[in-house]
Amino acid sequence: AQSVTQLDSQVPVFEEAPVELRCNYSSSVSVYLFWYVQYPNQGLQLLLKYLSGSTLVKGINGFEAEFNKSQTSFHLRKPSVHISDTAEYFCAVRRSKAAGNKLTFGGGTRVLVKP
Amino acid sequence: DVKVTQSSRYLVKRTGEKVFLECVQDMDHENMFWYRQDPGLGLRLIYFSYDVKMKEKGDIPEGYSVSREKKERFSLILESASTNQTSMYLCASTPDRSSYEQYFGPGTRLTVT
Repeated sequence: AQSVTQLDSQVPVFEEAPVELRCNYSSSVSVYLFWYVQYPNQGLQLLLKYLSGSTLVKGINGFEAEFNKSQTSFHLRKPSVHISDTAEYFCAVRRSKAAGNKLTFGGGTRVLVKP
Repeated sequence: DVKVTQSSRYLVKRTGEKVFLECVQDMDHENMFWYRQDPGLGLRLIYFSYDVKMKEKGDIPEGYSVSREKKERFSLILESASTNQTSMYLCASTPDRSSYEQYFGPGTRLTVT
């Protein structure tokens, strides 16, 4: 079974400052990794995913994440945030070899961007 | 664009009532999922379906059932609602089992009093 830990439940950050959201996972098998974003009063949408290859993954809206296999981490970063990045962010994993696409989500990190 | 719709944004029900949450997707997706979202716990999978009339239990199926009579519609049923089922419920779909991205509806916030 997999599990996902998002180490920060809330991250306040000033506009134009960088932000890093931490995600660690545990799994006995190889996994695919995802970051989803949930804007206020909306469903989730995919920010980026890591399947294989380069460990640095770029997503939408200027976000990127780095897969670190030895540390079982997949931290999300943005060099300069905007007010519109205020949202909740979820890290998720799924088994890479499994038939089927069940996801296991972390507890979420709420980002509040202050002017 | 993929569109996943849920029948209600907000719902208030009484303890013991039977509750139906409906989800419809318009992109002929094979797979559909029901999650509940609670603060600090993220999303937890209740049930999912890989095809019409097929259903599989997720991580927290107790107190819930589902129905998938048509490909585009996936219903979550609370047979006898309880206060601990007060939560946000999210539906999602994917084209098939190999797909990586799940497409989510806007959610239904259910309050059981």
